[in-house]
Amino acid sequence: DTEVTQTPKHLVMGMTNKKSLKCEQHMGHRAMYWYKQKAKKPPELMFVYSYEKLSINESVPSRFSPECPNSSLLNLHLHALQPEDSALYLCASSQDQAGGPADTQYFGPGTRLTVL
Amino acid sequence: DQQVKQNSPSLSVQEGRISILNCDYTNSMFDYFLWYKKYPAEGPTFLISISSIKDKNEDGRFTVFLNKSAKHLSLHIVPSQPGDSAVYFCAASGRTNAGKSTFGDGTTLTVKP
Repeated sequence: DTEVTQTPKHLVMGMTNKKSLKCEQHMGHRAMYWYKQKAKKPPELMFVYSYEKLSINESVPSRFSPECPNSSLLNLHLHALQPEDSALYLCASSQDQAGGPADTQYFGPGTRLTVL
Repeated sequence: DQQVKQNSPSLSVQEGRISILNCDYTNSMFDYFLWYKKYPAEGPTFLISISSIKDKNEDGRFTVFLNKSAKHLSLHIVPSQPGDSAVYFCAASGRTNAGKSTFGDGTTLTVKP
């Protein structure tokens, strides 16, 4: 099973709303990732969790707050977003964060976020 | 400075022919390279990878070639099928920067029946 699931599939929110994106994997992977992808652009790394601890934060604004409750789950809490934050948000997981084949990432289908 | 470049935004080939997608990189610390395929409104799907200790890796219709001296890799798809029509991303990572795969901008492949 190489499946990463993400909910919701679509999300529309106002700039004052608080919402959360959820991601789950059952591959026993110990590294999980959040990416943001704009149309016709490559995925842009936001956060990396390794063994449930935040290991990489790519200088993401604080209106995005990640959380890793356990090794299978990854959340992204959203608050006071801007219209320019509208994008496809992708979750991924990999066996580890050790380089080489362990870094092969398996992506979820994404959440299409629209901020009004 | 873009460390992974896919210079062809799009490629169109006839069904049954070979598709060759190219990728160049500048960072000599990269030692692991991947290709992902992405359909619209879906997440990228891992396709094939190659370690820097190899120069070729084959998986069915897909073969990736790595030329370290030229810092160039390519993905060959043969024979191409209409279902291969998608955006293909090249990505690279290194042990000194584990977990931070650097992606190219992608090449849109269209396979015509």
